[in-house]
Amino acid sequence: QAVLTQEPSLTVSPGGTITLTCGSTSGAVTSAHHPYWFQQKPGQAPRTLIYDTSDKPPWTPARFSGSLLGGQAALTLSGAQPEDEADYYCMVSYSGVRVFGGGTKLTVL
Amino acid sequence: QVQLQESGPGLVKPSGTLSLSCSVSGDSISSSNWWNWVRQPPGKGLQWIGEIYHSGVTHLNPSLKSRVTLSVDKSNNHFSLKLSSVTAADTAVYYCARSNIVGTILLFDYWSQGTLVTVSS
Repeated sequence: QAVLTQEPSLTVSPGGTITLTCGSTSGAVTSAHHPYWFQQKPGQAPRTLIYDTSDKPPWTPARFSGSLLGGQAALTLSGAQPEDEADYYCMVSYSGVRVFGGGTKLTVL
Repeated sequence: QVQLQESGPGLVKPSGTLSLSCSVSGDSISSSNWWNWVRQPPGKGLQWIGEIYHSGVTHLNPSLKSRVTLSVDKSNNHFSLKLSSVTAADTAVYYCARSNIVGTILLFDYWSQGTLVTVSS
């Protein structure tokens, strides 16, 4: 089973821009894997930020965007806010089986 | 407003079976959605357990497949998880979630609050 790799932790300044990545030990992450990105704050359930690589549900702020970069899924945050401090998880699908990445702890400081 | 609420024992003995139910309100379990289980060991990351459609079709995490049973109860509008032969490694917060078809893609749009299940004697 593929293992998804994410940066364990990242720090961004308020108002800054940062990109989180999600790679796979099984090769390139592509649009066929329909990458997702979830945000989870302490004590809360995850919530979807991005689905199918770059689509956003209605509740996702415009400052978040998803893409594919160099064979990895990527989540870019442009104009970080204090409330964006959270854990971020990618997830991809392999023929109906879903795999989560290990998560990135994002600090806004 | 769709709501999901888990129920089940918070403590399970080693080698026993973990059983959780997720009650759905605001949507029919027979709608065109998939129903998921996700877990999170304390202080660790998320792990997808599996998903079930109202027809009974399932997709399961290969690493858990031999121990997992998912089922749907249409009359009571809930779906269930059974995980057998549990060990301390199965201690986690368990979430149930709906994945809603948007075009041809599933969007995970509603989650339960999560319930902690501890495996201990």
